[in-house]
Amino acid sequence: ETGVTQSPTHLIKTRGQQVTLRCSSQSGHNTVSWYQQALGQGPQFIFQYYREEENGRGNFPPRFSGLQFPNYSSELNVNALELDDSALYLCASSLMGLPGGTDTQYFGPGTRLTVL
Amino acid sequence: AQSVTQPDIHITVSEGASLELRCNYSYGATPYLFWYVQSPGQGLQLLLKYFSGDTLVQGIKGFEAEFKRSQSSFNLRKPSVHWSDAAEYFCAVDLSGGYNKLIFGAGTRLAVHP
Repeated sequence: ETGVTQSPTHLIKTRGQQVTLRCSSQSGHNTVSWYQQALGQGPQFIFQYYREEENGRGNFPPRFSGLQFPNYSSELNVNALELDDSALYLCASSLMGLPGGTDTQYFGPGTRLTVL
Repeated sequence: AQSVTQPDIHITVSEGASLELRCNYSYGATPYLFWYVQSPGQGLQLLLKYFSGDTLVQGIKGFEAEFKRSQSSFNLRKPSVHWSDAAEYFCAVDLSGGYNKLIFGAGTRLAVHP
């Protein structure tokens, strides 16, 4: 077990709605990354937060947004949900600031989002 | 475009047999390379990683991987597979210089026959 927790476990929404997913990072970690894993595919990098600031973004539209809080927990918000947003959303935490970059990142179990 | 290719979508082996999962990447320089495993309903667990140095990397659960620069490959191996190894395996590269912004392959699903 990694110490990274996500809530909720499962979520069902309808097209056009908004959703917020939550991630609690492993103790001592200051960086959170979010990934989208569609069925049968590998995870895709959405964005990363370091010290409450966005620190890089993948090829996702602006309706995907995030927050990182002072305790390093994080939220992923998706507006105007589309059917293709149905996926497993994974967060991963790590400690940045080490020489050479970042230590190993640890993944949470994910939130399964279904958009109807 | 930079990419990670796992040519085998699904592999079935017998328990006790050896295993090799293939991974190729398309990138000019040598990226940081990773193998993760995902069991049903679980997140991703890191098996091993390669940054530099010895091209044969040892990981957890008896897995190892070999980086071959000439073939742009990072294949995962295990000499004797256990039934508990049945899972999905993902190869990933980090093009961000160690800042954990990973690009994943599509995965290889491993089934193990008794």
